[in-house]
Amino acid sequence: AQKVTQAQTEISVVEKEDVTLDCVYETRDTTYYLFWYKQPPSGELVFLIRRNSFDEQNEISGRYSWNFQKSTSSFNFTITASQVVDSAVYFCALSSGSSNTGKLIFGQGTTLQVKP
Amino acid sequence: EPEVTQTPSHQVTQMGQEVILRCVPISNHLYFYWYRQILGQKVEFLVSFYNNEISEKSEIFDDQFSVERPDGSNFTLKIRSTKLEDSAMYFCASRSGGPTDTQYFGPGTRLTVL
Repeated sequence: AQKVTQAQTEISVVEKEDVTLDCVYETRDTTYYLFWYKQPPSGELVFLIRRNSFDEQNEISGRYSWNFQKSTSSFNFTITASQVVDSAVYFCALSSGSSNTGKLIFGQGTTLQVKP
Repeated sequence: EPEVTQTPSHQVTQMGQEVILRCVPISNHLYFYWYRQILGQKVEFLVSFYNNEISEKSEIFDDQFSVERPDGSNFTLKIRSTKLEDSAMYFCASRSGGPTDTQYFGPGTRLTVL
């Protein structure tokens, strides 16, 4: 069975603090894809990053960085110097490489509140 | 930049009524999806559609639900007889092809069943 767990339900930080959102996944597939999506208060789902299971390189994009560790089945997301505009619900998602449909399995989401 | 669009943004209906949610996927995409998000909960997969047929559906997607691609641009989700528990945000998504491609989501339709 495939599963994504985001154990942190809510996180509250003060602006300019760094914050890490945890994501742990379960899959028996050797090929799979991991994603992060952002859901701001307006409700849409905004794609942030995709990572495939063969690429364990960490990635940095501006204030965002992602740490993929297959050994611990984790794909954590760090926001450096957080800003109020980062306040949103963040979802981690998994797609199986053995599934031709590419459906996404989402975690429960982490609500991030950044206070000024 | 191409984007997925959905109409209406908000639909209010009476229990037992039929509703059709509409989506226009990105034009060169081949795979289409519907997801559901009950308020405050996670996003759940409903159905995937490829080559004019359903490729996978979840347990949620029972006989009350159907999908259709009536022309070259629209992708619809129909709920035949709505229930109170169908109240949710419904997201359409599309991707171009191949498992490595990213799904891009529409802004969602908020369905309220009274």
